[in-house]
Amino acid sequence: EADIYQTPRYLVIGTGKKITLECSQTMGHDKMYWYQQDPGMELHLIHYSYGVNSTEKGDLSSESTVSRIRTEHFPLTLESARPSHTSQYLCASSEVQGEDAFFGQGTRLTVV
Amino acid sequence: RKEVEQDPGPFNVPEGATVAFNCTYSNSASQSFFWYRQDCRKEPKLLMSVYSSGNEDGRFTAQLNRASQYISLLIRDSKLSDSATYLCVVNKKSNFGNEKLTFGTGTRLTIIP
Repeated sequence: EADIYQTPRYLVIGTGKKITLECSQTMGHDKMYWYQQDPGMELHLIHYSYGVNSTEKGDLSSESTVSRIRTEHFPLTLESARPSHTSQYLCASSEVQGEDAFFGQGTRLTVV
Repeated sequence: RKEVEQDPGPFNVPEGATVAFNCTYSNSASQSFFWYRQDCRKEPKLLMSVYSSGNEDGRFTAQLNRASQYISLLIRDSKLSDSATYLCVVNKKSNFGNEKLTFGTGTRLTIIP
């Protein structure tokens, strides 16, 4: 089993609220990623990081922001949640750049 | 054109049959290739890496054709537990020279008893 954890697993929140999705890994991986996936649809990369203080936007534009202050921690923040943000958010990490990634169990976000 | 393209699904296959998935990628500079498996409402998990010489893991065989930019996955003697979505994954160099994984849309496989 991969040692990468996401909290919360499920979140239902009202429009306009600020939320932070947590992702932590204990494998010492430098590379971390956030993907967004709607039910039955493909994974879209929204953010990635190659190490502390390094973050880049992914292929899919997202209103969320990320930070990487510690190697093991890669939180994603939405300043003002909207129903269009309803989706599953998957965090992943990899030891070597471009090599296979380990995924957390995901956070299912519903904004009402 | 999508960076990673897979066979459209779903594939409904009787138990014991052999099934093949195909995938093409557009970035000729890609170096690493993988097949991931994703069960319904679960996270993707690595099934196997794909090497130039081809590789086999039990009932699963992966092939890579760099000249055609084509990857395949063959599942022999399919089991009910093979039912899942299979994702073709390719690394890609970003504009900054870094590499990141790009996922195909996935092909849904259902094994029928």
